[in-house]
Amino acid sequence: EAGVTQSPTHLIKTRGQQATLRCSPISGHTSVYWYQQALGLGLQFLLWYDEGEERNRGNFPPRFSGRQFPNYSSELNVNALELEDSALYLCASSLGLAGTDTQYFGPGTRLTVL
Amino acid sequence: GDSVTQMEGPVTLSEEAFLTINCTYTATGYPSLFWYVQYPGEGLQLLLKATKADDKGSNKGFEATYRKETTSFHLEKGSVQVSDSAVYFCALRGLNDYKLSFGAGTTVTVRA
Repeated sequence: EAGVTQSPTHLIKTRGQQATLRCSPISGHTSVYWYQQALGLGLQFLLWYDEGEERNRGNFPPRFSGRQFPNYSSELNVNALELEDSALYLCASSLGLAGTDTQYFGPGTRLTVL
Repeated sequence: GDSVTQMEGPVTLSEEAFLTINCTYTATGYPSLFWYVQYPGEGLQLLLKATKADDKGSNKGFEATYRKETTSFHLEKGSVQVSDSAVYFCALRGLNDYKLSFGAGTTVTVRA
């Protein structure tokens, strides 16, 4: 069974640009989570989508947004990129059920902002 | 709020040595506890989990026991290999919560 997939693997942008990151969950999973792993800041929760709706977000500014498609895949958009947005962005999926099931992670997208 | 405190690294060991990584948590009620591992250049892989007090999670020779009385979930392996070199993260998810709260991660290097 295929795991969580993310694309692209690496993304290089300049300050002020927009970045779009994509995630496909494990088949049968309806919940998708996004986390940011920035150097020195550890792993921080960004967003949770379930059944096409944004269910909750972490302490990040509104320029971090996303959506979940009918096939449960998800997109994370980061507008007006800043240097400190450089990080590994990890997507995870779970069966849903109010997000109480085990989360399985993808390999991540490494975003570099120059 | 919920939080996880994890043993600071880095940890360097010789092959076949015993590994312990301490993890303690603060949470209300009975959270679910996890250990994830991140190999160089990769995402997180679930290593093991425990969802109630006294549960023991185990996988690939690693074990951790959910200790409610000491609010701990220490990771152990009796004989490490070079291939165990990675960053290990302790995490919790509160009851009826949606997000994972992670420890800072412990870098483990195993030398041949």
